[in-house]
Amino acid sequence: SQTIHQWPATLVQPVGSPLSLECTVEGTSNPNLYWYRQAAGRGLQLLFYSVGIGQISSEVPQNLSASRPQDRQFILSSKKLLLSDSGFYLCAWSSLPRRNPLMNTEAFFGQGTRLTVV
Amino acid sequence: ILNVEQSPQSLHVQEGDSTNFTCSFPSSNFYALHWYRWETAKSPEALFVMTLNGDEKKKGRISATLNTKEGYSYLYIKGSQPEDSATYLCASNDYKLSFGAGTTVTVRA
Repeated sequence: SQTIHQWPATLVQPVGSPLSLECTVEGTSNPNLYWYRQAAGRGLQLLFYSVGIGQISSEVPQNLSASRPQDRQFILSSKKLLLSDSGFYLCAWSSLPRRNPLMNTEAFFGQGTRLTVV
Repeated sequence: ILNVEQSPQSLHVQEGDSTNFTCSFPSSNFYALHWYRWETAKSPEALFVMTLNGDEKKKGRISATLNTKEGYSYLYIKGSQPEDSATYLCASNDYKLSFGAGTTVTVRA
């Protein structure tokens, strides 16, 4: 069965410090991978998504970046955190819809990371 | 419609009453419409994935319909119970999964 791991669960970081959140998926290959942030009044805001190794699409300009060094590993990073980066971050995976139209494409989420920048 | 939009943002329902709310989505490049239930302190969990115009899906007291031509979906909760209290998210899936802001449902006993 497929599982998704996201860590850490909580993180308190000073302004200007770097960030690295990691997400790994097990039990599937070539998943679509996503980073979301819970934004007040905006539900889940899509930050980055990836359809393959080294392929990253950014949805909103921001202080963050993402990388996919391996097929089932997705990393959210920042060189210098801002106060406005505080929030709840969720990693998710789904099957790539167009490879197999009959494949279930629902997304499965990690447990989330509560980031507080102080 | 350029983005996924949900309305209302929140609603309060008396226990036992039924309710419904809306998701609007871009009808171009459509592949699937997802509904998720997000309870406090948990991760979102999928309720339905619908792909065909006219699709209707049901899980217990919760059901959903899909109109891909006009770009909307309804989620219905019949006979609301306190455990139905959650934020309900819809998402449009073309080559990425984009969510609406959610409808937060509070069921009062």
